[in-house]
Amino acid sequence: SAVISQKPSRDICQRGTSLTIQCQVDSQVTMMFWYRQQPGQSLTLIATANQGSEATYESGFVIDKFPISRPNLTFSTLTVSNMSPEDSSIYLCSVVGGGVTQYFGPGTRLTVL
Amino acid sequence: DQQVKQNSPSLSVQEGRISILNCDYTNSMFDYFLWYKKYPAEGPTFLISISSIKDKNEDGRFTVFLNKSAKHLSLHIVPSQPGDSAVYFCAASLDSSYKLIFGSGTRLLVRP
Repeated sequence: SAVISQKPSRDICQRGTSLTIQCQVDSQVTMMFWYRQQPGQSLTLIATANQGSEATYESGFVIDKFPISRPNLTFSTLTVSNMSPEDSSIYLCSVVGGGVTQYFGPGTRLTVL
Repeated sequence: DQQVKQNSPSLSVQEGRISILNCDYTNSMFDYFLWYKKYPAEGPTFLISISSIKDKNEDGRFTVFLNKSAKHLSLHIVPSQPGDSAVYFCAASLDSSYKLIFGSGTRLLVRP
């Protein structure tokens, strides 16, 4: 399986500010995914990040709020914009392994005050 | 509308005994199911998966059973070890797509 790292591992931010989360993979991958896990909740897919094209967002998530970059096959960023306390979550990136299996990064724990 | 449900938020089991984690789903078109384990401050770790054309898949201490008629799957851990204490998520895939739909998780505590 791929080795995935994320930065930062955690952050505490003020309302109205933005945070960019980085995801680095140790091998080239075509598809990367961004998930959110709100406190006590399940993992929810935010978007699929494809290299060379715009990200594909799931229902309820929009590009203005969660802009994504995918400059190459090993790296992606997710920005959480104009944050509110409701954005306090764990944000995770993942990549596809064999078949439909996905492997996840360690996550970024975000707290918005 | 939750398509994948884990109705037990927690489970406590004695070390050495069997742990059975359950998952129900509503969409009969799901064709692939996966189980993940998550420790605090870590990302989910893939454990085991099963295709909808099978009813059982085994990997060491972990076995997943699929009952399509009941739209139910379960993860058996035998024997349970204290290191298995974690949150377990089941997930489902539609049309072998890469979009995974997760359940809400079950927190397993294995008592020494």
